[in-house]
Formats: sequence, C-alpha cells, structure tokens
Amino acid sequence: NAGVMQNPRHLVRRRGQEARLRCSPMKGHSHVYWYRQLPEEGLKFMVYLQKENIIDESGMPKERFSAEFPKEGPSILRIQQVVRGDSAAYFCASSPDKASEQYFGPGTRLTVT
Amino acid sequence: AQSVTQLGSHVSVSEGALVLLRCNYSSSVPPYLFWYVQYPNQGLQLLLKYTTGATLVKGINGFEAEFKKSETSFHLTKPSAHMSDAAEYFCAVSDPFSSGSARQLTFGSGTQLTVLP
Repeated sequence: NAGVMQNPRHLVRRRGQEARLRCSPMKGHSHVYWYRQLPEEGLKFMVYLQKENIIDESGMPKERFSAEFPKEGPSILRIQQVVRGDSAAYFCASSPDKASEQYFGPGTRLTVT
Repeated sequence: AQSVTQLGSHVSVSEGALVLLRCNYSSSVPPYLFWYVQYPNQGLQLLLKYTTGATLVKGINGFEAEFKKSETSFHLTKPSAHMSDAAEYFCAVSDPFSSGSARQLTFGSGTQLTVLP
C-alpha cells in the first residue's frame, strides 16, 4: 500500500509566478490536510479537506492561497503570485476519517527566487 | 487554543546515553498527544501517541513517553541512543472534542537530536 505521495518534491518559482503542489492520499483515505513548515519552525496547519469539500481553512492565508480536493485526482494546494516568504516545506497528510491518525507525505520544498 | 512548547531546539547525547526530549502543552481540555520524527528531506513519521488509558506509551524504535496531566507534559525518552536516532523530533497535540473540523495537529517547533559517537 503506497503511502502519501506528493509532487513535485522540490519546486523553484520566481516571484509572481504560480505554484501548484499535489498530494495523493493513501488508498482508502478521503481526508487530506495541508501543513506548512517555515525554516526553523514546526508545522502549521493550513487546511483540511474531504472529497470536493473544504472543511476547515482556518490556517490558510487570506489571499493568494487556495486548495481543492476533487472527486477524482489529487488534492492541489495553489499559491498565486508567490513571494519570498512563501518559501517553505509544504506537507500533506491523509487519514481515513477525521478521528484517525494522520499519515504524512514527504513534502514539497518550495523555493521562491 | 492549544499550544506546544519544546524545550531545547537542539539536544546532543552520546551513543548509548539516555535521550530525553521535553514537551509541554497548553490546552483547555485533555488533549491527544503525539511525537513525530522527521529525517532530513523526509516527511513525518509517527513515533507514538497518547489518546486515553495508560499514561506511559511505548512507541517504535524503543521510544516511550509519559503523559503527566499535573505537569502538562509529554516528554519523550529512550534509554540508549543510537546513531540512527539523529533526526528532528516534533511534539504535537490535537483536541479530541473538536466538532465539525478535523482534529488538526498543533506542533511544537521541534528538537534536533544529535547523537555523538
């Protein structure tokens, strides 16, 4: 059973470009979480999604950030008009339901130049 | 609101020595507690978790942690450090009574463990 997959593993974007980060949850998992890890800090919750629904986006910046988890395909975290401060590691986690343990992917390391 | 404090951003121990990584939490309700390990350029792997029941929890790789409600602590220990234990360790909490939204994890800032030969 494959674990949580994230791609790309590394992403370099210039300021003002768009970044798209993908997360494929574990088989049978319909709950996806995104976390951001800034340098020298712990992970911070961003958003929680179920298939086709955003359940909790209390940790998402109000502008430029969006997330989706369509009926088919991976969950996407989209960052528009990236700035240097968006440089971080973005982790996705999945679980079969909201009460169960979250399994983390390897992360996408975004560098904004 | 919940918060997690990990005392000591860097801890060094000799191989074979006791490992003690400290975690204190703040929560209005008894939380669920977790320790994760992160190896360089990898995702987080769950070491152990406390939900209910026995307050001494055993995890993988010989690690264990004890939930002490009176001290609001959940320190991670291992009797004898191995070189392969060198990694970053994160303590996290979640609210077991959250309704509607997920049991999002609130993480500490991490402790980098170095094991000296």
